[in-house]
Amino acid sequence: EIVLTQSPGTLSLSPGERATLSCRASQSVSSSYLAWYQQKPGQAPRLLIYGASSRATGIPDRFSGSGSGTDFTLTISRLEPEDFAVYYCQQYGSSRTFGQGTRLEIK
Amino acid sequence: QVQLVESGGGVVQPGGSLRLSCAASGFTFSSYGMHWVRQAPGKGLEWVAFIRYDGSNKYYADSVKGRFTISRDNSKNTLYLQMNSLRAEDTAVYYCAKLIAVAQTVDYWGQGTLVTVSS
Repeated sequence: EIVLTQSPGTLSLSPGERATLSCRASQSVSSSYLAWYQQKPGQAPRLLIYGASSRATGIPDRFSGSGSGTDFTLTISRLEPEDFAVYYCQQYGSSRTFGQGTRLEIK
Repeated sequence: QVQLVESGGGVVQPGGSLRLSCAASGFTFSSYGMHWVRQAPGKGLEWVAFIRYDGSNKYYADSVKGRFTISRDNSKNTLYLQMNSLRAEDTAVYYCAKLIAVAQTVDYWGQGTLVTVSS
């Protein structure tokens, strides 16, 4: 099973700042089958990024994904108030696993 | 529009059983593999089970293998999760989902149904 480790656990930033979230896999994720989700309280997760770097439909271009192999990054270029949430990575190249999440909170 | 509506959650005693249902609409349910994903209170997401579009193959997380059974009825556009021998650690919101997949960029989630295992 591929274990995904996200860091940091909590990230405290202000609106307008840049956020960088990391997801590290215990073994290589085949063909960059890595996705990022955003989850707000009381809501189901929403897909942001798939294939490590492709934005899902309707996702603003301030969200970007990068990486390959075992190291992946989600970047939010300029934080908006609605971006403060929990973010999860998920690999879908070998069964399915989720990272433990990064909480992005307002500083 | 796409809808996945879960039902069947509730409070059950340890060792008990529960069956969850997920009614799908707005997309061709019979064309896609489907998942159950759960989230314990205040915790992260945990993948639970997957069933291929035609029901021919099923896969489970180790934590539920032998206790949970995923199934589907494509004539009713409905996904199921039969949960037996329930434990306190199975307490969670259970989501029905069509997750992102190789060559399938759509990703749909239901609103979730809460299962509480408690005496």
